[in-house]
Amino acid sequence: GNSVTQMEGPVTLSEEAFLTINCTYTATGYPSLFWYVQYPGEGLQLLLKATKADDKGSNKGFEATYRKETTSFHLEKGSVQVSDSAVYFCALSSNRDDKIIFGKGTRLHILP
Amino acid sequence: NAGVTQTPKFQVLKTGQSMTLQCAQDMNHNSMYWYRQDPGMGLRLIYYSASEGTTDKGEVPNGYNVSRLNKREFSLRLESAAPSQTSVYFCASNRRGQNTEAFFGQGTRLTVV
Repeated sequence: GNSVTQMEGPVTLSEEAFLTINCTYTATGYPSLFWYVQYPGEGLQLLLKATKADDKGSNKGFEATYRKETTSFHLEKGSVQVSDSAVYFCALSSNRDDKIIFGKGTRLHILP
Repeated sequence: NAGVTQTPKFQVLKTGQSMTLQCAQDMNHNSMYWYRQDPGMGLRLIYYSASEGTTDKGEVPNGYNVSRLNKREFSLRLESAAPSQTSVYFCASNRRGQNTEAFFGQGTRLTVV
């Protein structure tokens, strides 16, 4: 079945550091890929998405590129802020059914 | 814009008690989902509903039942709660189609003692 694997956390960085959170997937067909963010005490909200190979999703300084050859969708940000501290989830949605499958989440701590 | 509304926000149950978690969305979405979130396990799909009148099992359906009452509402029922069902439960919805964003409720924190 479809699955998403993302790097385990927590990840702790200093403010203005470069961020990478790795995500790889297994899926039949041509999935769409997403990054969601969860701030403390809240539900998940969409950060960015990409719907086909080589697409780059971007939002709030975060970027991720849909790499079909490596089945990856790594999240990057050039200079993180304290306000980026949250849990980040990689997810996929298959064109075969309506299920949205999530990775286990990566907790990010940014130190001032 | 209410989006996805879940009730209650917090609940404590005794083992063996039953309860229903309510979820409603006002975005005219076709698809609705119930997930549970546990430390180190991420979000796991319990049940989903692709349209009014249809429901399907997800990864962890045992111990739960669902009802898609109408297009707006999708409830999750625990018939006989167990401590293993202590978790945070999230309801979500989206328009049908793989490219569409899912919108989440604020979650229900359930403790079974």
